[in-house]
Amino acid sequence: DAGVIQSPRHEVTEMGQEVTLRCKPISGHDYLFWYRQTMMRGLELLIYFNNNVPIDDSGMPEDRFSAKMPNASFSTLKIQPSEPRDSAVYFCASSFGGFEQPQHFGDGTRLSIL
Amino acid sequence: AQKVTQAQTEISVVEKEDVTLDCVYETRDTTYYLFWYKQPPSGELVFLIRRNSFDEQNEISGRYSWNFQKSTSSFNFTITASQVVDSAVYFCALSEYQGAQKLVFGQGTRLTINP
Repeated sequence: DAGVIQSPRHEVTEMGQEVTLRCKPISGHDYLFWYRQTMMRGLELLIYFNNNVPIDDSGMPEDRFSAKMPNASFSTLKIQPSEPRDSAVYFCASSFGGFEQPQHFGDGTRLSIL
Repeated sequence: AQKVTQAQTEISVVEKEDVTLDCVYETRDTTYYLFWYKQPPSGELVFLIRRNSFDEQNEISGRYSWNFQKSTSSFNFTITASQVVDSAVYFCALSEYQGAQKLVFGQGTRLTINP
């Protein structure tokens, strides 16, 4: 079975540009999570969805960040405008069920903002 | 508030040695789950094991074993006869029933197995 699919794997762009990260969760999973990983802060939860509805976005750092899940098989994380401090690895994860279920992660998007 | 501490930032051992990765957690909830994930040099996060708060039985899977002790709030991970392929960053994580589906990760332990 296909795992969580993220695109692109790598993104290099200049400060001020809009960045869109994409995620396809595992089919049948009803939870989708976006994380950011940096050396300084480790793995941070940005936002998560349940049945396509955003439930908790308290981890989204600023209004420059937004996330959508238009259907059960697709989600985007957008940064506009991007800044160098947004450089990180962004992971998408999905799970079936609630807190007791393991989250399955995509390979991540390595984002570099110059 | 939930918290996970992995005090060992980096561990380096020689191949075939046994190594234990420590994980200490804090929670006020009585119902929770603990997880271990592996992040190899290629960067992906791989789920290894899940344990719920009501099951303190240790678990063994091949060269991997996990020791869960509620009395000390610890969920330690041991690799027996380590191999170079075990080199990775290992994360311990906690999910609470009252934690609104949030998975809180420790800072990770970078394990290097030298040939």
